[in-house]
Amino acid sequence: DAGITQSPRHKVTETGTPVTLRCHQTENHRYMYWYRQDPGHGLRLIHYSYGVKDTDKGEVSDGYSVSRSKTEDFLLTLESATSSQTSVYFCAISRAANTEAFFGQGTRLTVV
Amino acid sequence: QQQVKQSPQSLIVQKGGISIINCAYENTAFDYFPWYQQFPGKGPALLIAIRPDVSEKKEGRFTISFNKSAKQFSLHIMDSQPGDSATYFCAASDGDSSYKLIFGSGTRLLVRP
Repeated sequence: DAGITQSPRHKVTETGTPVTLRCHQTENHRYMYWYRQDPGHGLRLIHYSYGVKDTDKGEVSDGYSVSRSKTEDFLLTLESATSSQTSVYFCAISRAANTEAFFGQGTRLTVV
Repeated sequence: QQQVKQSPQSLIVQKGGISIINCAYENTAFDYFPWYQQFPGKGPALLIAIRPDVSEKKEGRFTISFNKSAKQFSLHIMDSQPGDSATYFCAASDGDSSYKLIFGSGTRLLVRP
């Protein structure tokens, strides 16, 4: 999986609690992405980063925030989890824009 | 707003047949069009990609056809095999301005033996 580690792999949390998902890469790639995958919607971009401390919103960013203080780590935070955020979350990395993106194994998040 | 529309949602093909998945895009600034393959429990993995300076790209049994004027591109899987059964996603990005890779909604392919 191209040196990408997502943690945790599975998580069950209660509505209203904060949740942080971590993506760690060992490839020194500049670009990092967070996607969510839901049936019928494919992969939707939440946030992405084009460098340390450089982040931008994707298609479905409401309710999510991100931080990238080091090249290797990209954190996704749900400030107050809701049931609509139950999903499988994928982190991806790429060396440059318009090049192959490598995906992690995913994190299955359930908000009850 | 869905910028990349993919069809069909699901596809059943007999072994040895041709699988065809289509995508259409709206943003004329898109200049990179990859296809990803995903097996259950795994992250997507790049299958093949094309840039708009060519109309077709072939890698083994997999071919991308690209029609810039129609803003459409498609994946053809020749001699489909049961091991090709997976979910396929088209995607597009504009490397000059946004760096974002936007995906279609996916096609679940089942190849029957």
